[in-house]
Amino acid sequence: DGGITQSPKYLFRKEGQNVTLSCEQNLNHDAMYWYRQDPGQGLRLIYYSQIVNDFQKGDIAEGYSVSREKKESFPLTVTSAQKNPTAFYLCASSTSGTSYEQYFGPGTRLTVT
Amino acid sequence: AQSVTQLGSHVSVSEGALVLLRCNYSSSVPPYLFWYVQYPNQGLQLLLKYTTGATLVKGINGFEAEFKKSETSFHLTKPSAHMSDAAEYFCAVTKGTKYIFGTGTRLKVLA
Repeated sequence: DGGITQSPKYLFRKEGQNVTLSCEQNLNHDAMYWYRQDPGQGLRLIYYSQIVNDFQKGDIAEGYSVSREKKESFPLTVTSAQKNPTAFYLCASSTSGTSYEQYFGPGTRLTVT
Repeated sequence: AQSVTQLGSHVSVSEGALVLLRCNYSSSVPPYLFWYVQYPNQGLQLLLKYTTGATLVKGINGFEAEFKKSETSFHLTKPSAHMSDAAEYFCAVTKGTKYIFGTGTRLKVLA
């Protein structure tokens, strides 16, 4: 079955530690996205990538980093510079071109204490 | 600049009643519009989308939405609510290579 996987489902870290969230897709999509979701704020775009080895900052990129070395994978690192990292993180992918819908992974809930 | 407004962060309906979730967008060009549903602690799932053509769009689970250019709206409806419809619903519009999401409407279905 084609789809997007995110791991782990729940992640706990201490303040000051970097943490990497995994996102893998087997849909052969060129575009991939990372969103942060907080209650009452909808989805906010962190980073996106339209093609391998290229990515762009979204609206809230500070304190985050990404890489896109393979078409299937788009990992997100939450660095210690992110002031308030506790949130629900969603990865999505789509065919290039904005008439196409995004497909979402199940999300990773990150708690930093 | 494209943006999306969802009126009502919480909506409650009785089981069997009409569901109406409102979405208005601002766009300088004809938009591509989407409705997604999210169940607790899960990702988003596409309900329906409008790109071109027929302005009344039918989606999964009995939902539909009508694109009204004159009103810049894309409201989501379902004739008869079911308990399983309780979830959060997001309207989205595309902006260049990005998608802009509304802040969501949480639907509660009362028995």
